[in-house]
Amino acid sequence: AQSVTQPDIHITVSEGASLELRCNYSYGATPYLFWYVQSPGQGLQLLLKYFSGDTLVQGIKGFEAEFKRSQSSFNLRKPSVHWSDAAEYFCAVIVDGGSNYKLTFGKGTLLTVNP
Amino acid sequence: DADVTQTPRNRITKTGKRIMLECSQTKGHDRMYWYRQDPGLGLRLIYYSFDVKDINKGEISDGYSVSRQAQAKFSLSLESAIPNQTALYFCATSGGWTGQETQYFGPGTRLLVL
Repeated sequence: AQSVTQPDIHITVSEGASLELRCNYSYGATPYLFWYVQSPGQGLQLLLKYFSGDTLVQGIKGFEAEFKRSQSSFNLRKPSVHWSDAAEYFCAVIVDGGSNYKLTFGKGTLLTVNP
Repeated sequence: DADVTQTPRNRITKTGKRIMLECSQTKGHDRMYWYRQDPGLGLRLIYYSFDVKDINKGEISDGYSVSRQAQAKFSLSLESAIPNQTALYFCATSGGWTGQETQYFGPGTRLLVL
């Protein structure tokens, strides 16, 4: 079965520092890959997604992610974190093929931003 | 106005009670989903529906049922609530059939079962 691993449960960074959130998936084929963000008390919002083509994808709020097939990874990055980026981040995958396109989520990484 | 709305936003109930969580969407999407979120576990799929006549179980459907009353409405019921169903519940929608579509989430319903 497909699975998504986010190795870091909680990350703390200082405002203005760079950020990288890790995501690994386990599936033979290339899945569709997503990053969602959940701000406190709110639902999930899509940051970016990857299906094919250029392995570096740009998203909203200054985030980007890079797909690395050899490492089965899709890490999320931001060069300079803002206090408003404090939230929980979820990596998710959909496996290509078949008729049931269901998202499988990682367990999330909680980001704390220090002033 | 929000594209995906959920009612109620918060609910406290007692063990054994039947409750219904409702979801409405104005995006015109065919696909709708119910997830539950527990701390440290991420989101897990309860049920999903690809159109009004299609209902499918997700990975944790036991103890839950759903009803797709219309394209825009998808309700989740707990027939006899138990404390381990205390969680944050999200409804989501998506359109299209390629698998590449974004899922749009409602704001969530926080449920406490005493």
